[in-house]
Amino acid sequence: GNSVTQMEGPVTLSEEAFLTINCTYTATGYPSLFWYVQYPGEGLQLLLKATKADDKGSNKGFEATYRKETTSFHLEKGSVQVSDSAVYFCALSSGGSNYKLTFGKGTLLTVNP
Amino acid sequence: NAGVTQTPKFQVLKTGQSMTLQCAQDMNHEYMSWYRQDPGMGLRLIHYSVGAGITDQGEVPNGYNVSRSTTEDFPLRLLSAAPSQTSVYFCASRENRGSHGYTFGSGTRLTVV
Repeated sequence: GNSVTQMEGPVTLSEEAFLTINCTYTATGYPSLFWYVQYPGEGLQLLLKATKADDKGSNKGFEATYRKETTSFHLEKGSVQVSDSAVYFCALSSGGSNYKLTFGKGTLLTVNP
Repeated sequence: NAGVTQTPKFQVLKTGQSMTLQCAQDMNHEYMSWYRQDPGMGLRLIHYSVGAGITDQGEVPNGYNVSRSTTEDFPLRLLSAAPSQTSVYFCASRENRGSHGYTFGSGTRLTVV
């Protein structure tokens, strides 16, 4: 079956630091990959996505590259802000089950001024 | 557009009570899903629907019931609430074509005492 493993948090950084949150997956076929962000007290928002190997998704300074050879989709940002403090979820949908999302457990990011 | 609307935002139930969590979307999306979010567990799929009149079970369906009589609405029913159902519940929807991510509602925080 499908599964997503992402680095456990919490992650605490100072403003302007570099961020990496690791995400690896197992899936049948060729999955689509997503990063969602959840700000305190809110629902999940789609941050970025990639639908095929070597695609790079980007949004709000965040990037992630779909690496089929390493089955990874690591989230990066060059300079984090306090407003980036949130929980980040890696997720995939795959093949005949593309209506279902499989989530990682989430990584809490706290950015201090 | 309102997107995905969930009601209520908060609810306290006594063990054994039943209730319905409401979910409505105004984007004419075919796919809808219910997830529960628990600390350290990520989001787990409860039930999903690929169109009006079609529903199926996800990972953790026990104790929950759904129906999809219209494209817009996808209510989740708790048949006899148990403390293990204390959680945050999210409804989500997406188009049935392409690799679009899901749009999530803002959630219902349920406590069963």
